Amino acid sequence: NAGVTQTPKFQVLKTGQSMTLQCAQDMNHEYMSWYRQDPGMGLRLIHYSVGAGITDQGEVPNGYNVSRSTTEDFPLRLLSAAPSQTSVYFCASSYSLDYEQYFGPGTRLTVT
Amino acid sequence: GQQLNQSPQSMFIQEGEDVSMNCTSSSIFNTWLWYKQDPGEGPVLLIALYKAGELTSNGRLTAQFGITRKDSFLNISASIPSDVGIYFCAGRPAGGSQGNLIFGKGTKLSVKP
Repeated sequence: NAGVTQTPKFQVLKTGQSMTLQCAQDMNHEYMSWYRQDPGMGLRLIHYSVGAGITDQGEVPNGYNVSRSTTEDFPLRLLSAAPSQTSVYFCASSYSLDYEQYFGPGTRLTVT
Repeated sequence: GQQLNQSPQSMFIQEGEDVSMNCTSSSIFNTWLWYKQDPGEGPVLLIALYKAGELTSNGRLTAQFGITRKDSFLNISASIPSDVGIYFCAGRPAGGSQGNLIFGKGTKLSVKP
């Protein structure tokens, strides 16, 4: 099992550009989520999904879109990048609602 | 929103010493998780706790789910240099949005050989 994989590892964007952060898991987990990690702020939930076709907003959803067309994949889209979105982004998955979450290696995004 | 208070923020200890850190909340939690994060990596799950009073060990690590359901602690015995990293607690509030975890801000552990 590869677990949770994320691509790219690093990305630099200019303000206004769009991009998609990829996340995939091969553990057949129903629950997937996206977090951002900023210095001194811990991990904050952006969006989450309890299964294919179902998504919902977390604590800091503005500026981000998600979709879940398959169990395995949960991409995060930035439609118009802003410097405030400079952060490290982590994808996580778990077997179901109440189980522990497993994290990917992260994507370090810089918006200039 | 709900917050977790994790302490201490940082620790600088000698190799071989024991370490203790904790998380507290003003509300009741159903789940407590402890993660370790190395620089440039994602958080790695150390211990998961699902019942009040539960005490669980993973090698030199021991964590407990407080009986009030509002706190948890993590102990590391006989620390070694590879214990260096940031330790996060995470909790799932009772009655909260499905599956959503709340994270503490982390305890940065430094170990002097």
